[in-house]
Order: sequence, then C-alpha cells, then structure tokens
Amino acid sequence: GAGVSQTPSNKVTEKGKYVELRCDPISGHTALYWYRQSLGQGPEFLIYFQGTGAADDSGLPNDRFFAVRPEGSVSTLKIQRTERGDSAVYLCASSTGQGVMNTEAFFGQGTRLTVV
Amino acid sequence: DQQVKQNSPSLSVQEGRISILNCDYTNSMFDYFLWYKKYPAEGPTFLISISSIKDKNEDGRFTVFLNKSAKHLSLHIVPSQPGDSAVYFCAAARNTDKLIFGTGTRLQVFP
Repeated sequence: GAGVSQTPSNKVTEKGKYVELRCDPISGHTALYWYRQSLGQGPEFLIYFQGTGAADDSGLPNDRFFAVRPEGSVSTLKIQRTERGDSAVYLCASSTGQGVMNTEAFFGQGTRLTVV
Repeated sequence: DQQVKQNSPSLSVQEGRISILNCDYTNSMFDYFLWYKKYPAEGPTFLISISSIKDKNEDGRFTVFLNKSAKHLSLHIVPSQPGDSAVYFCAAARNTDKLIFGTGTRLQVFP
C-alpha cells in the first residue's frame, strides 16, 4: 500500500495476556518508529529501528515490551503479561532515514489496545 | 518531565480568522521543531517544520514562528477553515533523534 499500515486497528485483551501489534512501513523506508499515545497525551516514543537493528529503545517502559524488525521492513511490537495501564493507541511511523528523518516520518492510523 | 508543552488543550476560532497555537519547550538542545495535525482515528500527519537556525517558516496558510530565547514556538493558520479542525501536536527533536511531542491542542473552526 501507499501508506503505513498497522494491524489490527483494534485489540481487546485480558489482563495478563500476550499481544502482538504489526506495522507495515512504506516500501523502501529504512527508519521505523513506535510511539504510544494515551488518552489526553501526545505520542510517547518507544523504540526506533534503522534497518533491522534497534537504534534507540530507550522509550520502552519495561521488559514486558519488545519489538523486532527481522528483515528491515515489517515490525512487530510485543507486549507480555499485559496490564490495564498498557491500554493506549500504539502508533507506528516510517521514514526514508535520510537527512532530517523526522520531517519525513509518516504515521499509520494506529492500533487501539484495550486491556480489560 | 514534560519537555514539550502545549498549555492550551483547546481553541475555538471563527472561520476566516487567524488561529494561533502555542508551544513551549525546556530543552535548549532541540534543534528541529515540527507541527503535526491529527484527525480522529487517523495517525498524525506532518504539517510544517522549522530549524533552530530560522525564526520563521511559511507554507501557504501555515506559518511557524520560533523564539529561541523564550523557548517558544507558535503555529499561525490564516485564514482558518472548518477543515482545519483537528488536534495539533507540537514536536521537537535534537539532530535526527526521536520526536518529543506535546500533549496537543484541539482546534475547532466554526462557521
């Protein structure tokens, strides 16, 4: 597709369960970002990939959160032992990774995660 | 520690008038600032940016002003249109580092 695609668009899970959120970036974009947006807040940085490697994972809140991008394209954000506080919209963005990367970051529509 | 602040959660403006959205930041190391616009159920979309070496950048109806000494930037939309109604996020970055977002301002443009 032409844009960043995130699946599922909505996910409801029970507390303690494991979830995976998928991001398909724009073809050819080497940089990929994950953000989390809680109600009434701005997007909060989680992790940034350049190619297959995590260039900056300083935003991951704890070791229950993990993300991979094994082939440098699709990325999966994995959350173990989900807690109600994990409920948020998880946003993925991609960019060409050239120049000032952030101006070329295109966001997906997000995955709304609800932990009950 | 909120490094990027948008102190007005909402703003209501009449169509045709100017909308002014404000943003303050605390980290003097930021050297790039951006505005994103977000409609419900969609991801943020890039609107306009400004480098710290400039104090103004204009793109059509949108102008961003940067006051480094005050650590303040603003987005001006003129004339405002109903389609501009959305949540606007200010964001800042250092070099090509991650974006730090503000909490957003909901703009409503009424006829």
